[in-house]
Amino acid sequence: EPEVTQTPSHQVTQMGQEVILRCVPISNHLYFYWYRQILGQKVEFLVSFYNNEISEKSEIFDDQFSVERPDGSNFTLKIRSTKLEDSAMYFCASTPGRPLETQYFGPGTRLLVL
Amino acid sequence: RKEVEQDPGPFNVPEGATVAFNCTYSNSASQSFFWYRQDCRKEPKLLMSVYSSGNEDGRFTAQLNRASQYISLLIRDSKLSDSATYLCVVNRLTGGGNKLTFGTGTQLKVEL
Repeated sequence: EPEVTQTPSHQVTQMGQEVILRCVPISNHLYFYWYRQILGQKVEFLVSFYNNEISEKSEIFDDQFSVERPDGSNFTLKIRSTKLEDSAMYFCASTPGRPLETQYFGPGTRLLVL
Repeated sequence: RKEVEQDPGPFNVPEGATVAFNCTYSNSASQSFFWYRQDCRKEPKLLMSVYSSGNEDGRFTAQLNRASQYISLLIRDSKLSDSATYLCVVNRLTGGGNKLTFGTGTQLKVEL
């Protein structure tokens, strides 16, 4: 069964550093998403991406964040200058053809900012 | 008011018990509804979509009441492997795209 994959599984970085989290969505999917989950808290929507542009973003997704689909398979989330409060699990998800369909989640990247 | 509210947990039940989870959502523009399951430190995994007509998948039954903005999940004959956090999730179209909103989750512990 096709899966969403994410790399790395864990990342430790110093405050102020840039990080890039990588995702490979399921190959025939068209809608892509990033979510985060701070330890002990709920999953929070960050951004949705369709047709090579952001279609929706939350208030969390400020100028420090950016997303890109640099080729036909990867979908990346960049945090330009990490803060301590960016420490969280980051999940990528994708949906086949329509935005209201089921989203399939990757295993996540655990980011720790020191 | 939170956009998605769930029963507080944890629910500790014996194996074989029936357990019900409830969820309410505040945005009447919500259009699709799901129950996801999340194991500790893992990604959310789809358990089932939820429809107004009600739907069943083995031991799991989900129901949606749009008028009351209420979603439920019933687990019959619970197994040890059902121990997890159950997330109520609503999806709605926004100006440009769509947005999934998660509840905080209800923790289930099934015990011998």
